[in-house]
Amino acid sequence: DVKVTQSSRYLVKRTGEKVFLECVQDMDHENMFWYRQDPGLGLRLIYFSYDVKMKEKGDIPEGYSVSREKKERFSLILESASTNQTSMYLCASSLHVQPGELFFGEGSRLTVL
Amino acid sequence: GESVGLHLPTLSVQEGDNSIINCAYSNSASDYFIWYKQESGKGPQFIIDIRSNMDKRQGQRVTVLLNKTVKHLSLQIAATQPGDSAVYFCAENTGGFKTIFGAGTRLFVKA
Repeated sequence: DVKVTQSSRYLVKRTGEKVFLECVQDMDHENMFWYRQDPGLGLRLIYFSYDVKMKEKGDIPEGYSVSREKKERFSLILESASTNQTSMYLCASSLHVQPGELFFGEGSRLTVL
Repeated sequence: GESVGLHLPTLSVQEGDNSIINCAYSNSASDYFIWYKQESGKGPQFIIDIRSNMDKRQGQRVTVLLNKTVKHLSLQIAATQPGDSAVYFCAENTGGFKTIFGAGTRLFVKA
């Protein structure tokens, strides 16, 4: 079975803290994505990566950065967390360069106090 | 701008009935469409997809219809079961890496 694993399901952080969200996939997929999910807004793309050490901004990259040092791992970093970053964060991977199915992790719910 | 919208935020159906979830998209350049199902506490899961050169595609108990003339996508679920209760997202892609998701429709199945 294909699997995308997000290491933290629930996190509570304080304003100004640095936050790391980790994602690992075991499918040898080239592409990995970080989405943010908020009620009524659907999923919005933060960053994606199509290869090791490569990254591209999505629709809402402000306040976030990413790291992809290994093919299977894609990390989302909040340098200084703010309350408006309280959200559900979803990691996904895909095999194809052209559009295809996204495989999602179970999400990381972040609360920033 | 690009957007994918849903006509109804919630849908309630009786167990055994058919469900129809609708979706409108605005980008006529989109050529690949996907439906995802998200159960509580889980990430979205792929249900079915369709490319713009088709107008209908069937899976197991699910059918996706694409009407490019009016930029409309629908998901039909036959004989809806309690396990179908979830949030359903339509998504569109114009090629490449960017997939645009709709806001989602919550489906409630009444026993």
